[in-house]
Amino acid sequence: NAGVTQTPKFQVLKTGQSMTLQCAQDMNHEYMSWYRQDPGMGLRLIHYSVGAGITDQGEVPNGYNVSRSTTEDFPLRLLSAAPSQTSVYFCASSYSPDRGTGELFFGEGSRLTVL
Amino acid sequence: GESVGLHLPTLSVQEGDNSIINCAYSNSASDYFIWYKQESGKGPQFIIDIRSNMDKRQGQRVTVLLNKTVKHLSLQIAATQPGDSAVYFCAEGHEAKLSFGAGTTVTVRA
Repeated sequence: NAGVTQTPKFQVLKTGQSMTLQCAQDMNHEYMSWYRQDPGMGLRLIHYSVGAGITDQGEVPNGYNVSRSTTEDFPLRLLSAAPSQTSVYFCASSYSPDRGTGELFFGEGSRLTVL
Repeated sequence: GESVGLHLPTLSVQEGDNSIINCAYSNSASDYFIWYKQESGKGPQFIIDIRSNMDKRQGQRVTVLLNKTVKHLSLQIAATQPGDSAVYFCAEGHEAKLSFGAGTTVTVRA
Protein backbone atom coordinates (compact mmCIF):
# COMPACT_ATOMS: atom_id res chain seq x y z
CA ASN A 1 0.00 0.00 0.00
CA ALA A 2 1.21 3.49 -0.84
CA GLY A 3 -0.90 5.13 1.90
CA VAL A 4 -1.70 8.78 1.24
CA THR A 5 -0.02 10.26 -1.82
CA GLN A 6 0.14 13.99 -2.47
CA THR A 7 1.35 15.76 -5.58
CA PRO A 8 3.12 18.02 -6.24
CA LYS A 9 5.55 18.19 -3.31
CA PHE A 10 6.59 21.72 -4.20
CA GLN A 11 4.88 24.46 -6.21
CA VAL A 12 5.45 28.14 -6.83
CA LEU A 13 2.55 30.23 -8.10
CA LYS A 14 2.00 33.82 -8.99
CA THR A 15 -0.83 35.75 -7.37
CA GLY A 16 -4.07 35.07 -9.22
CA GLN A 17 -3.05 31.73 -10.69
CA SER A 18 -5.08 28.63 -10.02
CA MET A 19 -3.91 25.10 -9.34
CA THR A 20 -4.97 21.78 -7.94
CA LEU A 21 -3.22 19.78 -5.25
CA GLN A 22 -3.83 16.09 -5.77
CA CYS A 23 -4.42 13.57 -3.01
CA ALA A 24 -5.04 9.85 -3.32
CA GLN A 25 -5.32 7.08 -0.73
CA ASP A 26 -5.42 3.32 -1.26
CA MET A 27 -6.62 2.25 2.18
CA ASN A 28 -10.35 2.43 1.41
CA HIS A 29 -10.79 5.12 4.05
CA GLU A 30 -14.13 6.87 4.24
CA TYR A 31 -12.83 10.15 5.59
CA MET A 32 -10.43 12.47 3.81
CA SER A 33 -9.35 15.98 4.73
CA TRP A 34 -7.03 18.82 3.86
CA TYR A 35 -5.02 20.81 6.39
CA ARG A 36 -2.65 23.70 6.08
CA GLN A 37 0.28 24.23 8.38
CA ASP A 38 1.87 27.61 8.90
CA PRO A 39 5.05 28.34 10.90
CA GLY A 40 4.50 28.17 14.65
CA MET A 41 0.94 26.99 14.25
CA GLY A 42 -0.82 23.69 14.35
CA LEU A 43 -2.64 22.18 11.44
CA ARG A 44 -5.85 23.93 10.46
CA LEU A 45 -8.64 22.10 8.71
CA ILE A 46 -9.58 23.47 5.29
CA HIS A 47 -12.16 21.00 3.96
CA TYR A 48 -13.11 17.46 4.72
CA SER A 49 -15.18 14.65 3.30
CA VAL A 50 -16.94 11.76 5.02
CA GLY A 51 -17.47 9.83 1.80
CA ALA A 52 -17.72 10.04 -1.97
CA GLY A 53 -19.98 12.88 -3.03
CA ILE A 54 -19.95 14.54 0.40
CA THR A 55 -17.75 17.47 1.39
CA ASP A 56 -17.88 20.09 4.10
CA GLN A 57 -15.99 23.15 5.22
CA GLY A 58 -13.43 23.17 7.96
CA GLU A 59 -11.90 26.01 9.89
CA VAL A 60 -10.29 27.94 6.99
CA PRO A 61 -12.17 27.11 3.75
CA ASN A 62 -12.07 30.47 1.96
CA GLY A 63 -10.18 30.44 -1.33
CA TYR A 64 -10.29 26.65 -1.66
CA ASN A 65 -12.61 24.17 -3.34
CA VAL A 66 -12.77 20.40 -3.03
CA SER A 67 -14.67 17.54 -4.59
CA ARG A 68 -14.87 13.83 -3.81
CA SER A 69 -16.02 11.95 -6.87
CA THR A 70 -14.34 8.70 -5.77
CA THR A 71 -13.39 7.16 -2.42
CA GLU A 72 -9.71 7.32 -3.35
CA ASP A 73 -9.25 10.91 -4.52
CA PHE A 74 -9.73 14.26 -2.83
CA PRO A 75 -8.22 17.15 -4.83
CA LEU A 76 -7.86 20.64 -3.37
CA ARG A 77 -8.28 23.55 -5.78
CA LEU A 78 -6.95 27.04 -5.28
CA LEU A 79 -9.13 29.26 -7.39
CA SER A 80 -7.06 32.45 -7.42
CA ALA A 81 -3.87 32.10 -5.39
CA ALA A 82 -2.95 34.77 -2.85
CA PRO A 83 0.28 35.22 -0.85
CA SER A 84 -1.70 34.36 2.30
CA GLN A 85 -2.07 30.85 0.91
CA THR A 86 1.66 30.25 1.09
CA SER A 87 1.81 27.24 3.38
CA VAL A 88 2.44 23.54 3.66
CA TYR A 89 -0.63 21.52 2.80
CA PHE A 90 -1.34 18.07 4.18
CA CYS A 91 -3.91 15.62 2.97
CA ALA A 92 -5.09 12.98 5.42
CA SER A 93 -7.45 10.04 5.46
CA SER A 94 -9.00 7.81 8.08
CA TYR A 95 -11.67 5.25 8.74
CA SER A 96 -14.83 6.66 10.19
CA PRO A 97 -14.50 6.86 14.01
CA ASP A 98 -17.10 4.15 14.50
CA ARG A 99 -14.73 1.75 12.73
CA GLY A 100 -11.67 2.76 14.67
CA THR A 101 -10.03 5.60 16.51
CA GLY A 102 -10.31 8.14 13.75
CA GLU A 103 -6.52 8.10 13.43
CA LEU A 104 -5.49 10.22 10.49
CA PHE A 105 -2.91 8.97 8.05
CA PHE A 106 -1.07 11.90 6.53
CA GLY A 107 0.63 12.46 3.24
CA GLU A 108 4.13 13.92 3.09
CA GLY A 109 2.89 17.44 2.41
CA SER A 110 2.87 19.92 -0.47
CA ARG A 111 4.83 23.11 0.01
CA LEU A 112 3.16 25.98 -1.83
CA THR A 113 4.64 29.43 -2.31
CA VAL A 114 2.55 32.23 -3.79
CA LEU A 115 4.50 35.23 -5.02
CA GLY B 1 -14.73 28.94 20.55
CA GLU B 2 -13.22 25.52 20.39
CA SER B 3 -9.50 25.28 20.76
CA VAL B 4 -6.81 22.84 21.58
CA GLY B 5 -3.61 24.16 22.99
CA LEU B 6 -0.36 23.03 24.48
CA HIS B 7 0.97 24.57 27.65
CA LEU B 8 4.56 25.03 26.50
CA PRO B 9 5.92 25.61 22.99
CA THR B 10 9.29 24.00 23.76
CA LEU B 11 10.61 21.27 26.02
CA SER B 12 14.24 20.30 26.54
CA VAL B 13 14.88 16.93 28.14
CA GLN B 14 17.97 14.91 28.99
CA GLU B 15 18.38 11.64 27.13
CA GLY B 16 17.11 8.81 29.29
CA ASP B 17 14.77 11.00 31.35
CA ASN B 18 11.00 10.88 31.11
CA SER B 19 9.18 13.59 29.13
CA ILE B 20 5.77 15.00 29.86
CA ILE B 21 3.98 17.08 27.26
CA ASN B 22 0.77 18.80 28.27
CA CYS B 23 -2.28 19.91 26.36
CA ALA B 24 -5.47 21.74 27.30
CA TYR B 25 -8.65 21.43 25.30
CA SER B 26 -11.97 23.21 25.47
CA ASN B 27 -14.53 21.16 23.53
CA SER B 28 -16.44 18.96 25.96
CA ALA B 29 -18.04 17.14 23.03
CA SER B 30 -14.76 15.68 21.75
CA ASP B 31 -15.02 11.91 21.37
CA TYR B 32 -11.35 11.06 21.10
CA PHE B 33 -7.92 12.58 21.43
CA ILE B 34 -4.77 11.78 19.53
CA TRP B 35 -1.09 12.60 19.90
CA TYR B 36 0.97 13.06 16.78
CA LYS B 37 4.69 13.42 16.24
CA GLN B 38 6.05 15.47 13.37
CA GLU B 39 9.65 15.38 12.26
CA SER B 40 11.11 18.09 10.09
CA GLY B 41 9.86 17.95 6.50
CA LYS B 42 7.42 15.13 7.14
CA GLY B 43 3.74 14.69 7.77
CA PRO B 44 2.46 14.03 11.31
CA GLN B 45 2.69 10.46 12.55
CA PHE B 46 0.25 8.83 14.93
CA ILE B 47 1.61 8.07 18.39
CA ILE B 48 -1.33 7.10 20.55
CA ASP B 49 -5.00 7.87 20.98
CA ILE B 50 -7.54 7.78 23.77
CA ARG B 51 -11.31 7.76 23.75
CA SER B 52 -13.25 10.18 25.92
CA ASN B 53 -14.56 7.33 28.10
CA MET B 54 -11.03 6.42 29.20
CA ASP B 55 -8.55 8.22 31.46
CA LYS B 56 -5.34 6.38 30.67
CA ARG B 57 -3.86 4.40 27.83
CA GLN B 58 -0.39 2.95 27.44
CA GLY B 59 1.64 2.14 24.39
CA GLN B 60 5.24 1.31 23.80
CA ARG B 61 7.20 3.82 25.96
CA VAL B 62 4.26 6.24 25.84
CA THR B 63 1.29 6.88 28.09
CA VAL B 64 -1.58 9.25 27.47
CA LEU B 65 -3.60 10.61 30.37
CA LEU B 66 -6.96 12.29 30.01
CA ASN B 67 -8.53 14.40 32.73
CA LYS B 68 -11.96 15.45 31.55
CA THR B 69 -12.69 17.37 34.74
CA VAL B 70 -10.08 19.98 33.90
CA LYS B 71 -9.97 19.26 30.16
CA HIS B 72 -6.34 18.27 30.20
CA LEU B 73 -4.41 15.77 28.15
CA SER B 74 -0.82 14.69 28.59
CA LEU B 75 1.69 12.52 26.82
CA GLN B 76 4.40 10.82 28.81
CA ILE B 77 7.44 9.41 27.03
CA ALA B 78 9.58 7.04 29.06
CA ALA B 79 13.36 6.97 28.69
CA THR B 80 13.47 9.71 26.07
CA GLN B 81 15.77 8.99 23.15
CA PRO B 82 17.38 11.28 20.55
CA GLY B 83 14.89 9.98 17.98
CA ASP B 84 12.10 11.45 20.08
CA SER B 85 13.19 14.96 19.12
CA ALA B 86 10.28 16.37 17.11
CA VAL B 87 7.20 18.56 17.33
CA TYR B 88 4.33 16.94 19.20
CA PHE B 89 0.73 17.85 18.56
CA CYS B 90 -2.34 16.97 20.51
CA ALA B 91 -5.60 16.81 18.62
CA GLU B 92 -9.18 16.47 19.67
CA GLY B 93 -11.77 14.79 17.50
CA HIS B 94 -15.50 14.92 17.17
CA GLU B 95 -17.06 12.85 14.38
CA ALA B 96 -15.14 13.65 11.20
CA LYS B 97 -13.30 16.74 12.44
CA LEU B 98 -9.95 16.78 14.15
CA SER B 99 -8.61 20.01 15.67
CA PHE B 100 -4.92 20.41 16.42
CA GLY B 101 -3.03 22.42 18.98
CA ALA B 102 -0.02 24.56 18.09
CA GLY B 103 2.58 21.96 19.01
CA THR B 104 5.43 21.47 21.48
CA THR B 105 8.97 21.17 20.16
CA VAL B 106 10.85 18.53 22.11
CA THR B 107 14.64 18.61 22.05
CA VAL B 108 16.57 15.72 23.56
CA ARG B 109 19.98 16.59 25.04
CA ALA B 110 22.71 13.98 24.82
